[in-house]
Amino acid sequence: DQQVKQNSPSLSVQEGRISILNCDYTNSMFDYFLWYKKYPAEGPTFLISISSIKDKNEDGRFTVFLNKSAKHLSLHIVPSQPGDSAVYFCAASGTQGGSEKLVFGKGTKLTVNP
Amino acid sequence: DVKVTQSSRYLVKRTGEKVFLECVQDMDHENMFWYRQDPGLGLRLIYFSYDVKMKEKGDIPEGYSVSREKKERFSLILESASTNQTSMYLCASRVGGSGNTIYFGEGSWLTVV
Repeated sequence: DQQVKQNSPSLSVQEGRISILNCDYTNSMFDYFLWYKKYPAEGPTFLISISSIKDKNEDGRFTVFLNKSAKHLSLHIVPSQPGDSAVYFCAASGTQGGSEKLVFGKGTKLTVNP
Repeated sequence: DVKVTQSSRYLVKRTGEKVFLECVQDMDHENMFWYRQDPGLGLRLIYFSYDVKMKEKGDIPEGYSVSREKKERFSLILESASTNQTSMYLCASRVGGSGNTIYFGEGSWLTVV
């Protein structure tokens, strides 16, 4: 049972345009959401996060939007650059029954074409 | 800056061998994790530890064990390596609870032949 879903395995955009990566979750206990970026043969690096009490968080070219009622979040990259080409993982965390959970999606491979 | 160091970047082991993957973090984090990453499957949690000598099973603990004798070090052990354990293994650490950022190491590519 996939609790965090990234339904698009890949996305291709032109340099300078907007990249929108989507993520859906099923469990209401998640209260914190994170995006990680991963280059081949490297570990994931933290990109941006959002608490469930907010609906938007912005950091430079990266903005994360959270729609709690739809259990959906998205990462916007504007403008996209070739160096943004990587796999992006969405993650959701929360506590249930005294036990912490951090669940990752399967990732979306973003390719930004020059 | 947080530093999570995995001792081996690339390993090739034979089926049945015992394999140790070592991870050290330098930020006094309580929580440490081991994940594996496979194409199309994302990051899957093998084990995590929230304190010295404490461990909990993740989603895919079968075939693995862990050791945390010191706060800064978290080891993943494959008692008898099998070909289906060929993967990229990622160690991570985090201070405090689930709202805090998790920091990953560079990863260890393990090939079991």
